[in-house]
Amino acid sequence: QSVLTQPPSASGTPGQRVTISCSGSSSNIGRNTVYWHQQLPGTAPKLLIHSNNQRPSGVPDRFSGSKSGTSASLAISGLLSEDEADYYCAAWDDSLNGWVFGGGTKLTVL
Amino acid sequence: QVQLVESGGGVVQPGGSLRLSCAASGFTFSYYGMHWVRQAPGKGLEWVAFIRFDGSNKYHSDSVKGRFSISRDNSKNTLSLQMNSLRAEDTAIYYCANSDYWGQGTLVTVSS
Repeated sequence: QSVLTQPPSASGTPGQRVTISCSGSSSNIGRNTVYWHQQLPGTAPKLLIHSNNQRPSGVPDRFSGSKSGTSASLAISGLLSEDEADYYCAAWDDSLNGWVFGGGTKLTVL
Repeated sequence: QVQLVESGGGVVQPGGSLRLSCAASGFTFSYYGMHWVRQAPGKGLEWVAFIRFDGSNKYHSDSVKGRFSISRDNSKNTLSLQMNSLRAEDTAIYYCANSDYWGQGTLVTVSS
C-alpha cells in the first residue's frame, strides 16, 4: 500500500482535459514539494513536474501541477495519444526520511 | 547532456549479494542528493535509499534496512548500492535518480 494515494486509472479522449489527484499527509505533501513523474510503456520514469507546479525544460505547457494542503493534482490539457502512460506523484516524507510515491495512475487515451 | 547509467544487475540466488553502480555525467554530481528507486515487475515505484550530496547522511527504506547500503564517490561521480541477503521480493528494476533525472535502470533477479 502506497503512502500517497492516487486513482489507479484515468482516461480521456484526444483534446480533452484530465486531472489526476494525489493525496498525502502532513509529513509529506503537507510540508514538502510535490513531484510528478511520467513513465511511458517500457521506459524509465521521467520528471514531469517539480516544486509542485514547475515544468522542466522540454515538458509541454499542456502539463500543469497544483498543490493545496496535503493534496496535489496533475492536469493534462489537449490530450494526445502519446500521453498514454503511468503517472506517479512523489514527495519527501519527513517521518520516513525518504521519498514516498503514489501507486501510479494509468492514463488511457480512448 | 545529463546521463545516469546504472550497471551491476543480474541473476543472483536468494541470500546472495550484488553491488549496483550508477555513473553520473553532464551535471555537478557533488551538488545533488541521490536516490535508488526500484520497480518490481508490473508494480509501481518504491523508494529504496537516499544519500545527501556530501554523503553525510544516508537513509534506507524499512524493507531494505540492514541489508542494503547506499554510498557515493564524488571524485568519481559514482553512486553505489551494496545489496546483501537478497530475497525473491527484491527482484526489480533498480533506478538511480536525483530530483531532476532518472537513469535507465538495471534489472536484479533473485531466484534459485
